Amino acid sequence: SAVISQKPSRDICQRGTSLTIQCQVDSQVTMMFWYRQQPGQSLTLIATANQGSEATYESGFVIDKFPISRPNLTFSTLTVSNMSPEDSSIYLCSAIRTADTQYFGPGTRLTVL
Amino acid sequence: GQQLNQSPQSMFIQEGEDVSMNCTSSSIFNTWLWYKQDPGEGPVLLIALYKAGELTSNGRLTAQFGITRKDSFLNISASIPSDVGIYFCAGYYAGGTSYGKLTFGQGTILTVHP
Repeated sequence: SAVISQKPSRDICQRGTSLTIQCQVDSQVTMMFWYRQQPGQSLTLIATANQGSEATYESGFVIDKFPISRPNLTFSTLTVSNMSPEDSSIYLCSAIRTADTQYFGPGTRLTVL
Repeated sequence: GQQLNQSPQSMFIQEGEDVSMNCTSSSIFNTWLWYKQDPGEGPVLLIALYKAGELTSNGRLTAQFGITRKDSFLNISASIPSDVGIYFCAGYYAGGTSYGKLTFGQGTILTVHP
């Protein structure tokens, strides 16, 4: 399995500000992803974090709102920009190492006032 | 896009009872994963399935990959209070640009009464 950590674990932010979430994996992985889980809902894929290149975004998510970096094989960041209360969610990173099994971090619980 | 229908949405059972939940997809998958999520935590992988017809066990948990590649079920035998949580199915079709992009079911909320 892969051990994944995220920082911060939770935050309360003001409308219009931005928050950067960090994801660190304990060893090299082939792929990393970012998901959003709105209150009481299931998980929705935001984007694939590509190492050394621009992330690949899913329909409904754009780079200006959710810029993503992945400078190496074990680290990625997701920024939630110009936040509004509708961005209040749990943000989760995940990683695939081998055998197509995907592991998740503990999540970052974001509340926007 | 792909849709997963997971049922039931919630279950209230007595400790010791068996539990069954399932997912159906509008299109084929070649990987099915089952996760459990506790409050305030990320999903934890329970079982991974890679072949149509595959039946896999992990302790009291058993899951199967349907032969049509459009469905999967998860059984929990002899439930205990720590089985409480939300169970999610997830799947993807590893073709082209879809590799690793999980589609999740809506989740099954499991409550176990002692």
